[in-house]
Amino acid sequence: GENVEQHPSTLSVQEGDSAVIKCTYSDSASNYFPWYKQELGKRPQLIIDIRSNVGEKKDQRIAVTLNKTAKHFSLHITETQPEDSAVYFCAPGGGFKTIFGAGTRLFVKA
Amino acid sequence: EADIYQTPRYLVIGTGKKITLECSQTMGHDKMYWYQQDPGMELHLIHYSYGVNSTEKGDLSSESTVSRIRTEHFPLTLESARPSHTSQYLCASSEVRGSPLHFGNGTRLTVT
Repeated sequence: GENVEQHPSTLSVQEGDSAVIKCTYSDSASNYFPWYKQELGKRPQLIIDIRSNVGEKKDQRIAVTLNKTAKHFSLHITETQPEDSAVYFCAPGGGFKTIFGAGTRLFVKA
Repeated sequence: EADIYQTPRYLVIGTGKKITLECSQTMGHDKMYWYQQDPGMELHLIHYSYGVNSTEKGDLSSESTVSRIRTEHFPLTLESARPSHTSQYLCASSEVRGSPLHFGNGTRLTVT
């Protein structure tokens, strides 16, 4: 079955620094690559996604890059702020079922 | 407002009880999912559906069942609750394959 791994599992940065989270997957048929953010006590919400026909997408301080050959994609957050503290999940797919990575807990220290 | 709704928000029940967790969406989405998640931890897929009268088991072994008689409704039933079922259950929907998932607020279940 699909194998999805996220690294690191925990990331602590100073406010204003950049954060990068990497997601690797095994299913070469995957063609949709989203990132979700889950704040404490809230539901996961999509923050950015990319499809396999592009290599990078940016939305203000967040960006996603895709390397389909190596089967990984990454979330980049620049100029981090305390409100970026949350758990981030990748969920590569495009098939009938959606499997999530184990999550990365990001702490942004003020 | 188009959204996905779960009830109840919190539930505390005794061992052996039968319960149904409700999930409804008003977005007209064909695909629906149930995930089990301990707070802030990994999301485990337990059931999914790609349309009316279609249901599939996910990767996490579960003693629950689901039904999909109407597009908007995807209830989850536990025939006999056990303390090991204590967790948060998240329902989600998506428009088509390869599109974003929209999550409900979850049901936090405690089995005593």
